[in-house]
Amino acid sequence: TQLLEQSPQFLSIQEGENLTVYCNSSSVFSSLQWYRQEPGEGPVLLVTVVTGGEVKKLKRLTFQFGDARKDSSLHITAAQPGDTGLYLCAGASANYGGSQGNLIFGKGTKLSVKP
Amino acid sequence: GAGVSQSPSNKVTEKGKDVELRCDPISGHTALYWYRQSLGQGLEFLIYFQGNSAPDKSGLPSDRFSAERTGGSVSTLTIQRTQQEDSAVYLCASSLYETQYFGPGTRLLVL
Repeated sequence: TQLLEQSPQFLSIQEGENLTVYCNSSSVFSSLQWYRQEPGEGPVLLVTVVTGGEVKKLKRLTFQFGDARKDSSLHITAAQPGDTGLYLCAGASANYGGSQGNLIFGKGTKLSVKP
Repeated sequence: GAGVSQSPSNKVTEKGKDVELRCDPISGHTALYWYRQSLGQGLEFLIYFQGNSAPDKSGLPSDRFSAERTGGSVSTLTIQRTQQEDSAVYLCASSLYETQYFGPGTRLLVL
């Protein structure tokens, strides 16, 4: 069974601080996605990383895919209250169409940014 | 917009009653997924439909849970004889390739 471990599970920081969220697995993924979910809504895709070692930036958010395509990180610079939410990573299995469809989700990191 | 829609948005029911949750996927998306999310937790996979293939039901927690997808579009998740532990947000997503687009969810409360 492929698993994605996210850490930390909870994170509470002050506005302006930097933070990093990690997503780790012993399995190789063909790609990895990061979603953000706000209260009362469904998850929304932030980014997809495909190539080992790939780095993508989305304003103050920097996403990195590990060289071996087993792990990923999300770094937020100068966090703002609007960044508050549940951040979920999801790996696309190399075995398309296997169990859990084509994505395996981590349990998420709940981020709270206080003004 | 043309996103994934779910109904009802909230459902309160009594223990032992049956409930039906509906999902309208994005038009043209061949894959449809149901997930369950307990308060503040990650997504628990329930069932996956892909085109005309037999659904992957490996995530359904018990035989009280079932789902169907009619005409390759709308899907209904049915929970029979609901229990208090079924209380959660039920999310539906659809996709054409790897990116899944989620609906807002149905919040189910079993009293």
